Amino acid sequence: GAVVSQHPSRVICKSGTSVKIECRSLDFQATTMFWYRQFPKKSLMLMATSNEGSKATYEQGVEKDKFLINHASLTLSTLTVTSAHPEDSSFYICSAAPSGSSYNEQFFGPGTRLTVL
Amino acid sequence: GENVEQHPSTLSVQEGDSAVIKCTYSDSASNYFPWYKQELGKGPQLIIDIRSNVGEKKDQRIAVTLNKTAKHFSLHITETQPEDSAVYFCAAKAQGGSEKLVFGKGTKLTVNP
Repeated sequence: GAVVSQHPSRVICKSGTSVKIECRSLDFQATTMFWYRQFPKKSLMLMATSNEGSKATYEQGVEKDKFLINHASLTLSTLTVTSAHPEDSSFYICSAAPSGSSYNEQFFGPGTRLTVL
Repeated sequence: GENVEQHPSTLSVQEGDSAVIKCTYSDSASNYFPWYKQELGKGPQLIIDIRSNVGEKKDQRIAVTLNKTAKHFSLHITETQPEDSAVYFCAAKAQGGSEKLVFGKGTKLTVNP
């Protein structure tokens, strides 16, 4: 149980294009999902908290117009990197927190490697 | 806000030995402390967690201890195996309010056969 998937696992795009990454909770519902960015050999940097049916909450320094987040259902959140540039190249990881759980677990997806040429 | 410090940043042990990774946190309101294992190119995997109402939790070769007074918690891996080699992250979350976790910087564990 508690499986989170991400799609695609890898994407290479040209500078200036937009890329959409999907995060799905496969066997549970998740009112809240999180998007992280991870640089090589570094810890996870929280970008935003995504709540189903409402606007995402972005961390300080994260451009909400560049990293568009949509959480339209209890099992799906998407991150769209708009007008991508080489500096957006990174490993993007989502996590999901089971709805209604009295615990606080977050389960992570396998990550998406974005390379912007 | 919460700040989590993790030590050591790298740890090398011989197969069969024990490994200990330590974390400290700053916010006394934190009440949930998970540990994640991340293998190269993959997402973090929750391996064990502890809540502030207990001092120790064990799952086979893995155990976590929590000292609320000192605000530190530790991961203990016994009888290490080469497949335990990975980066381990500790995290902390405060009660109420935001659901977000605050992570340590990670420990790269290498288990030598």
